[in-house]
Amino acid sequence: DAMVIQNPRYQVTQFGKPVTLSCSQTLNHNVMYWYQQKSSQAPKLLFHYYDKDFNNEADTPDNFQSRRPNTSFCFLDIRSPGLGDAAMYLCATSTRGLNEKLFFGSGTQLSVL
Amino acid sequence: QKEVEQNSGPLSVPEGAIASLNCTYSDRVSQSFFWYRQYSGKSPELIMSIYSNGDKEDGRFTAQLNKASQYVSLLIRDSQPSDSATYLCAVISGNSYKLIFGSGTRLLVRP
Repeated sequence: DAMVIQNPRYQVTQFGKPVTLSCSQTLNHNVMYWYQQKSSQAPKLLFHYYDKDFNNEADTPDNFQSRRPNTSFCFLDIRSPGLGDAAMYLCATSTRGLNEKLFFGSGTQLSVL
Repeated sequence: QKEVEQNSGPLSVPEGAIASLNCTYSDRVSQSFFWYRQYSGKSPELIMSIYSNGDKEDGRFTAQLNKASQYVSLLIRDSQPSDSATYLCAVISGNSYKLIFGSGTRLLVRP
């Protein structure tokens, strides 16, 4: 059974048209992450939630926002997608603690036309 | 300097050989180290985790950690074509809960 679920698997949007990616988890993990991964590059952390505490990376563009209405769900909102935002977006979860591994969803591949 | 550095490869090895993948990291107080495997178009999957100096073995995989040298490696014995993928080194730095990835090494196992 999938434990971290991302929808949709593929998303196509138009330049400048807002888009929302969703992530849900059945693990009851405290921490949820959003990563952006472009082709042949490292996954880049955009932000993470420690319970309800939101932590934004310093270099995450203002165009990207996130919501976590409850433990199970987390959303990534891209207000005005540009061509450079086309990428794989990965949601992951972990428990508290430094030694815990991340559980990844299958990712959403975003295309911007 | 990147926080986590890997040679991008590709590293090409024949089937049955040992593949050796290397990674260095910049944060001396890093405590947790991971190797993830990523197939093209898929999300990363955890292969190994290591937290203390020395070797850790799991089946055909051995992770090695040297904190003094800020170096972590992954050995894959009896490499199979199905091992062909990108291997991402990842580090939890300091006291944060953030996992920082290297850009990965692409491994090709030739039949």
